[in-house]
Amino acid sequence: ETGVTQSPTHLIKTRGQQVTLRCSSQSGHNTVSWYQQALGQGPQFIFQYYREEENGRGNFPPRFSGLQFPNYSSELNVNALELDDSALYLCASSSGTAVNTEAFFGQGTRLTVV
Amino acid sequence: AQSVTQLDSQVPVFEEAPVELRCNYSSSVSVYLFWYVQYPNQGLQLLLKYLSGSTLVESINGFEAEFNKSQTSFHLRKPSVHISDTAEYFCAVRSLSGTYKYIFGTGTRLKVLA
Repeated sequence: ETGVTQSPTHLIKTRGQQVTLRCSSQSGHNTVSWYQQALGQGPQFIFQYYREEENGRGNFPPRFSGLQFPNYSSELNVNALELDDSALYLCASSSGTAVNTEAFFGQGTRLTVV
Repeated sequence: AQSVTQLDSQVPVFEEAPVELRCNYSSSVSVYLFWYVQYPNQGLQLLLKYLSGSTLVESINGFEAEFNKSQTSFHLRKPSVHISDTAEYFCAVRSLSGTYKYIFGTGTRLKVLA
């Protein structure tokens, strides 16, 4: 059973550019959530996807968007990058959306915007 | 809405000494409670969780946490720490309604000294 894998591990982008981050969920998991962890802060919920549909969204602007594919892997897209978007982006997968299902986190993608 | 407060941003402690990492939460609805650990350049790993039942929960590596509803706390303790426990520890809550997103505290950096 493979865990949650994210790619790339590190990324440097210029302000104004667009970026796509990828997440392969753990085998058998159909729910993916994305979190942003700024330096020195706890992770902040961006959104969740369940069976290819957005299932909830945190307080992030529309330039943060996502996709979930039929194999339940997921992408996080960020347009018009700003310096404050520099952070560790974490993906978490789970087998369903029930509150007592455990979410497993990937290692994250560290995005630096210059 | 929910919020999590971790009162200590950093906790230095000598090896084999006991440690307590404090966590308080605020919520208008029932929540589940979690502690996650993050080692340098890694994602989050679940340490322990309180869903229901006994208010004292334990992890396999000697940590324990006690849910105190009246004080809205979920402090993490270990009677004797090891160098390998050096990491960032995040307390989190998960609402029993809505999207079941995690709300994380800002983290406590535990540094175990030789």
